[in-house]
Formats: sequence, C-alpha cells, structure tokens
Amino acid sequence: GDSVTQMEGPVTLSEEAFLTINCTYTATGYPSLFWYVQYPGEGLQLLLKATKADDKGSNKGFEATYRKETTSFHLEKGSVQVSDSAVYFCALRAASGGSYIPTFGRGTSLIVHP
Amino acid sequence: ETGVTQSPTHLIKTRGQQVTLRCSSQSGHNTVSWYQQALGQGPQFIFQYYREEENGRGNFPPRFSGLQFPNYSSELNVNALELDDSALYLCASSSRDRGFQETQYFGPGTRLLVL
Repeated sequence: GDSVTQMEGPVTLSEEAFLTINCTYTATGYPSLFWYVQYPGEGLQLLLKATKADDKGSNKGFEATYRKETTSFHLEKGSVQVSDSAVYFCALRAASGGSYIPTFGRGTSLIVHP
Repeated sequence: ETGVTQSPTHLIKTRGQQVTLRCSSQSGHNTVSWYQQALGQGPQFIFQYYREEENGRGNFPPRFSGLQFPNYSSELNVNALELDDSALYLCASSSRDRGFQETQYFGPGTRLLVL
C-alpha cells in the first residue's frame, strides 16, 4: 500500500539556519504530495502542495519539489524563524477505486532557538 | 482560520461508552474526511463522505461510523469505546467536482480521552 516516510525528529536549529526535512513516498500511479504544519494544540494547516512531477510548491519561504525519479518531496527553507517551530507532516493523496485516500507520515518536530 | 469547526473541543469518556463528534464544513465544500491522530503520530484516515455517501474508508472497525448531512456537516460516531481510541480526531473538508478533489482544510480537532 501507499506509505510516507519522514526523517525522525526533533530537528533543532538556531534562528536563520537552513532547514531540510526529508520525505520519501511509495505509491502506485501519480499521487499529489503535500506538506502540512501543526502548531501546538491546533489542527493541521496546508503549507504547500505539488500535483505532478517536477512541480515546486512554495509558501511562506518554504519550498518542496516533487521528484518522481527519487520518489521524494523534501521540505526546505533558507532561514528559519522561532515562529516556524511546529510539527511538519508530509502526505500523499492517491486515487483508489474512485475515491482519494490520503496517507500521512509520522511527522517531524522542528524546534528553532533564538 | 479554515472555516472548519469541530465540537466539542475536549471530551472524556469511559470504556464501553459511545461518543459523537461533530464537524461543520467550510462553505461550498461537499466532501468531509475524518482522521484519528494518536499522540506523536500522523493522522490516520478513518473515512470520507461525499454528498452524504461514504466514499473511501481506512483500516478502522465498523464501530467507527459516520454521517454527512444535506448541509454537508458531519458526525463521527464511535461505539464501544476502547482505551486506544484516545486521540485527537480531525475532520477536513474539501470540494470535489468532476472527479477532482481540491485541497483539504482541517478543523482544530476534538481531543478524546477514554478512561
């Protein structure tokens, strides 16, 4: 079945450092790929998405490129801020029998120190 | 703010009891999905409703059931609660037309504790 693997956290960085959170996936067909962010005590917020190979999703300084050849969708940001501290989830959505079944990774916690 | 609301925000139940969680979709959305998020884990897909019909189900037993109403709001019902049902329950709404599903927008969740 479909699956998403994220790097284990927590990832601890100083403010203004470069961020990479790795995400690889296994899926049949051509899934759409997503990054969600979850702040403490809240639900998930969509951060960015890409729907086909070589698409780059971007939002709030975060970027991720859909790499079909490596089945990856790594999240990057050039300069993190304390306010970026949260849990980040990589997810895919693939068509299955006429419905769209989403699959999430386990999440990677990011802690940014001043 | 996604426009998706859930109630209640927190709930405590005992084993064997039944619970109903509610979700109001974002205006214009006809699809709602429910997820279970255990502590420290990613959300697990329970099921999805599209225009009042169940349309896709994850690996959850039949004691997890749902409804979607004509105004596209939704309920998640869990019977015979077990300790492992303790989790954050998230709903997400989206719009699906002509076979294409747009992005899901999540509510803040209901935190259920089963004692």
